[in-house]
Amino acid sequence: EVQLVESGGGLVQPGRSLRLSCAASGFTFNDYAMHWVRQAPGKGLEWVSSISWNSGTIGYADSLKGRFTISRDNAKNSLYLQMNSLRAEDTALYYCAKGYYDSSGYYGDWGQGTLVTVSS
Amino acid sequence: EIVMTQSPATLSVSPGERATLSCRASQSVGSNLAWYQQKPGQAPRLLIYVASTRATGIPARFSGSGSGTEFTLTISSLQSEDFAVYYCQQYNNWPYTFGQGTKLEIK
Repeated sequence: EVQLVESGGGLVQPGRSLRLSCAASGFTFNDYAMHWVRQAPGKGLEWVSSISWNSGTIGYADSLKGRFTISRDNAKNSLYLQMNSLRAEDTALYYCAKGYYDSSGYYGDWGQGTLVTVSS
Repeated sequence: EIVMTQSPATLSVSPGERATLSCRASQSVGSNLAWYQQKPGQAPRLLIYVASTRATGIPARFSGSGSGTEFTLTISSLQSEDFAVYYCQQYNNWPYTFGQGTKLEIK
């Protein structure tokens, strides 16, 4: 059974940093691209970032470039999102997601999310 | 960035009836379109990918159609568990983008 467990969320002041983690199990992690998707309270889904299996291809939402960095550690079956210079509009539930197929851009498995609240 | 526009924002349908949800892309995405269902407090669930292929375990009452810029999700006979929010997503180009969602509610 695929499991994706996010952690690292919490309350943080504007301008500060936070690092999210996603622990993956139940599948061969280094075969799959991985993704972060967020959802602001009461709002829709927003793609944040994707990383290929070998970290060779990385993409970010236009609004995030330069502030967020995605990475992965295949030896630890883990995905990360380093978030710097956080803003109030970054407040959201952050989901870790696995592609339905190895490099697909649609997501068959999701974690339950970790909540990030940016507020003073 | 490709803008995905879903309509209607809210759809009220009686159980047993058919529901038709629309999704329009601001430019062609080919068939690189997925549909998700999300219930309150839950993560999204993949229903359809490549515009018309059902994901594993998705009932046959869910069907997708369309290509280019116009897409439709049809639920042929609504069950109580189908009342939820539905999102379309294009994965043709980065940045991937989602529609704003259609809330399917019980009439």
